[in-house]
Amino acid sequence: KAGVTQTPRYLIKTRGQQVTLSCSPISGHRSVSWYQQTPGQGLQFLFEYFSETQRNKGNFPGRFSGRQFSNSRSEMNVSTLELGDSALYLCASSSTMDTQYFGPGTRLTVL
Amino acid sequence: EDQVTQSPEALRLQEGESSSLNCSYTVSGLRGLFWYRQDPGKGPEFLFTLYSAGEEKEKERLKATLTKKESFLHITAPKPEDSATYLCAVQEGSQGNLIFGKGTKLSVKP
Repeated sequence: KAGVTQTPRYLIKTRGQQVTLSCSPISGHRSVSWYQQTPGQGLQFLFEYFSETQRNKGNFPGRFSGRQFSNSRSEMNVSTLELGDSALYLCASSSTMDTQYFGPGTRLTVL
Repeated sequence: EDQVTQSPEALRLQEGESSSLNCSYTVSGLRGLFWYRQDPGKGPEFLFTLYSAGEEKEKERLKATLTKKESFLHITAPKPEDSATYLCAVQEGSQGNLIFGKGTKLSVKP
């Protein structure tokens, strides 16, 4: 089975812009979760989607949003980018509320 | 209010020198504890899931164990290719999200 894929792998944006990241889960997996990883804070949970519905949300501002499509593919959007949003954004998929398998991540740099 | 604490932050071993990594947690209603390995610039790679105290799982040179308050990742006779950051995460109650520790960066020198 193909693993979790994320596009793009690298992004450079400037403050104030917005960005959309994409995630394709493992075939058959209906749950997709997003995490932000930074050197200072480590991995932090953003949100989880299951069957096109947001099931759980972490403690991030409303500038961070996401959605899931009927084919389980997911996107996350960050509006009005800030320097502190520079991070590795990771997507993980799972078939149940169990083991999550991570993609390679999207490295976002905000200048 | 750290819920997942990993120690040590960094560990340097000689090839063949066995050791253990610790993950202590303070969540109520543990649903599962997960170990991942992460190489620089890559996403975490799944290693083990543990569900109840006393459970143990093994894979090659790695063995994970779980008690009511902590988990250990034992590395037997490590090789340089075991060098990576090892992450521990817990899943609490009915929540699906993972709560991660900051990781242990392992370096194995030949």
